[in-house]
Amino acid sequence: NAGVTQTPKFQVLKTGQSMTLQCAQDMNHNSMYWYRQDPGMGLRLIYYSASEGTTDKGEVPNGYNVSRLNKREFSLRLESAAPSQTSVYFCASSELVWGGPLLNTEAFFGQGTRLTVV
Amino acid sequence: DAKTTQPTSMDCAEGRAANLPCNHSTISGNEYVYWYRQIHSQGPQYIIHGLKNNETNEMASLIITEDRKSSTLILPHATLRDTAVYYCIVRPAYSGAGSYQLTFGKGTKLSVIP
Repeated sequence: NAGVTQTPKFQVLKTGQSMTLQCAQDMNHNSMYWYRQDPGMGLRLIYYSASEGTTDKGEVPNGYNVSRLNKREFSLRLESAAPSQTSVYFCASSELVWGGPLLNTEAFFGQGTRLTVV
Repeated sequence: DAKTTQPTSMDCAEGRAANLPCNHSTISGNEYVYWYRQIHSQGPQYIIHGLKNNETNEMASLIITEDRKSSTLILPHATLRDTAVYYCIVRPAYSGAGSYQLTFGKGTKLSVIP
């Protein structure tokens, strides 16, 4: 099992360029997440997808769009990159059921994408 | 509003127990305490979680006070590989709006000293 796989691992963009960060999980989890982590800070939720076909905003969604392509894949798109989006981006997945008990619901994280916008 | 409070940093001698405290004085009855750690900018790793009883797994023990306002994560025999940032997170016990995200604070940077 690969767990959660993110591509690319590193990326440098110029201001105004666009790109898509890819994430795939092989654990058949229904929920997936995108976080960003700025230097010396904890992770902040950008968007999440509670289940296939649904997406919702997290704490810091501005400047991003997401697509839940299927149960395995959840992508994050920067339409017009800005230096303020320089960060490390983490994708995660977990098994959660809407309205159900959050039992044993550990989240599994990818290794991150280090994005620099110049 | 920070739901948890942790010390910024701690040191622990290799082979000794590392006790990481967390205050969560506003925790409600249907909220779990979760612990994650992040080693050297890798993705966070789940350690353990609990509601009100003490919990133990192969990685650590979680001691929750009777009033549930604080908890301690115990790594029984710390090794150099346990050097990481440890995050204490409070999370609802039932899924619903606002419950999906893990709210990470700045955590405690644990340094295990040889």
